[in-house]
Amino acid sequence: DVKVTQSSRYLVKRTGEKVFLECVQDMDHENMFWYRQDPGLGLRLIYFSYDVKMKEKGDIPEGYSVSREKKERFSLILESASTNQTSMYLCASSWTGVHNEQFFGPGTRLTVL
Amino acid sequence: ELKVEQNPLFLSMQEGKNYTIYCNYSTTSDRLYWYRQDPGKSLESLFVLLSNGAVKQEGRLMASLDTKARLSTLHITAAVHDLSATYFCAVHGLLVAGGTSYGKLTFGQGTILTVHP
Repeated sequence: DVKVTQSSRYLVKRTGEKVFLECVQDMDHENMFWYRQDPGLGLRLIYFSYDVKMKEKGDIPEGYSVSREKKERFSLILESASTNQTSMYLCASSWTGVHNEQFFGPGTRLTVL
Repeated sequence: ELKVEQNPLFLSMQEGKNYTIYCNYSTTSDRLYWYRQDPGKSLESLFVLLSNGAVKQEGRLMASLDTKARLSTLHITAAVHDLSATYFCAVHGLLVAGGTSYGKLTFGQGTILTVHP
């Protein structure tokens, strides 16, 4: 079974803090994704990575950056957290190719106070 | 830009009743996914619909796709409490990076389904 894990289920941070959300997959997938999920808005793509050190902006990249130094690990970084970044963050991974299914992690609920 | 609209966003059903969730999308796509999410949990893939007229069924859930109308439906038959969850449709599109195309999902807003005794 594909396993996508995220480092924290719940996280509480203060405004202005630097926040790291970690995602690890164990299936040697080339592609990894970060989404944020908000009520009434569904999931929106923040960033996508198709290879080590390669990244591409999604639909809502503002206020976020990412890092992929190893194939299995994809990090989402909030350089200076703000209250409007309070949300559920979901990581996903897939094999390369246009039509491969994405597998999702359990999510991290981040609260910024 | 691809837009995906689900309705209704909230659905309160009685056990034993039937209902349909609708997923409309704005541009051509070659596949569509339905996911289920339980509270505090991640997304579970229910169906992937690959062509016009595709119909898939699993238990009390049946999904269909009409690519000409850009519409997918998720029909619930004789609802039971265990079906209470949030349901998302996601439409497949393309993202181009480094001169190569990759699959990208655009999600609907989600439908929160509650089934009452």
